[in-house]
Amino acid sequence: EVQLLDSGGGLVQPGGSLRLSCAASGITFSNYAMNWVRQAPGKGLEWVSGISSSGGSTYYTDSVKGRFTISRDNPKNTLYLQMNSLRVEDTAVYYCAKGAGYDIYDVLDIWGQGTMVTVSS
Amino acid sequence: DIVMTQSPDSLAVSLGERATINCKSSQSVLFSSNNENYLAWYQQKPGQPPKLLIYWASTRESGVPDRFSGSGSGTDFTLTISGLQAEDVAVYYCQQYYSTPFTFGPGTKVDIK
Repeated sequence: EVQLLDSGGGLVQPGGSLRLSCAASGITFSNYAMNWVRQAPGKGLEWVSGISSSGGSTYYTDSVKGRFTISRDNPKNTLYLQMNSLRVEDTAVYYCAKGAGYDIYDVLDIWGQGTMVTVSS
Repeated sequence: DIVMTQSPDSLAVSLGERATINCKSSQSVLFSSNNENYLAWYQQKPGQPPKLLIYWASTRESGVPDRFSGSGSGTDFTLTISGLQAEDVAVYYCQQYYSTPFTFGPGTKVDIK
């Protein structure tokens, strides 16, 4: 069974940092692109970032460029999101989501349960 | 960025009746080289992550009941639930994966009448 376990969320002050992790099991992790999608409380879904299967290509939505960094450790089957200079508007549940193929331009077919990030003073 | 819109915002349908959700993209998500529409539909129930229902606009994900179907091409798409069941109460999102940033529609809430 394919599983994605998101972790690393918590309460942080504005300007602070957090690193999210997503541990994958039941798949050959290195074969698939991976993504982070967030959902602010009571709001819709927002794609945040994606990374190709090799890690050689990364993509970001404009509002997080220069502040967030996506990366992956294929031997450890783990996806990361380093979040710096956090803002109140970054408050959301963050989901990792597996792409259906090696390339980023593919559907998100498996989702983690999500980890809550709260940015507040 | 490609803007995704959905209509209606919410709808209430009697059990066993049809629910239809529309999705429109601000530009075509049809990739000419493979003739595929880069459009997916997801279902999200309260407290749960989204679940993939439909991809390439009309291909049902494995395990998804056949009462869910997707149609459309280019910029206009439809998700149809034929014969609504109680377990279908959820918010439904369309999403384009044609170009980054990938974008979602605002969601359509489906309830039982």
